[in-house]
Amino acid sequence: DTEVTQTPKHLVMGMTNKKSLKCEQHMGHRAMYWYKQKAKKPPELMFVYSYEKLSINESVPSRFSPECPNSSLLNLHLHALQPEDSALYLCASSQGSGIMDGPSYNEQFFGPGTRLTVL
Amino acid sequence: AQSVTQLDSHVSVSEGTPVLLRCNYSSSYSPSLFWYVQHPNKGLQLLLKYTSAATLVKGINGFEAEFKKSETSFHLTKPSAHMSDAAEYFCVVIGRYGNKLVFGAGTILRVKS
Repeated sequence: DTEVTQTPKHLVMGMTNKKSLKCEQHMGHRAMYWYKQKAKKPPELMFVYSYEKLSINESVPSRFSPECPNSSLLNLHLHALQPEDSALYLCASSQGSGIMDGPSYNEQFFGPGTRLTVL
Repeated sequence: AQSVTQLDSHVSVSEGTPVLLRCNYSSSYSPSLFWYVQHPNKGLQLLLKYTSAATLVKGINGFEAEFKKSETSFHLTKPSAHMSDAAEYFCVVIGRYGNKLVFGAGTILRVKS
């Protein structure tokens, strides 16, 4: 299985709602990532999990809360979002988790994304 | 710090003609470079990667790229464009710690029939 899956495909939520995005991979990868992508822009890194521990938080607001329950799953919990948080949220995974693994192991595999709309 | 510059925000070609998407990089040490493609409302798919082996890299769907250290370039080419190639393409370098991708701004490829 060489796929990263994300659910749901689309999500519409109000500013007072709490929702979660889910990402799953069964490639045995050791690192997982959340990205945010606005229209006509490249993806922006939000969080990196390495061996199920949070290793990078790119100064993301606390209304976004990541969780890695196990090595195959990555969640992004959403609460009190703003309309400007509307975007495509992408999950990715890689076999390697950093420079010690070498570049060949740090190729990232992306999921299809969740299109989030905040009303 | 690493960075990539994609020299064209939009490229338009006719079906059956060659494709050239240009990318220059900046890196203080030997870089690893990637090209990803993103079709509308889809995730990113890896086209090809350079990791200091052969300088001419062949990827999926007939794409290839040549790493030129003297020119700090990693341009993406395809001999003959197909309508299904219409998408956005990102040139990417891996950051110093190996797990942060540094993206170019993207090039939107349009293929005319």
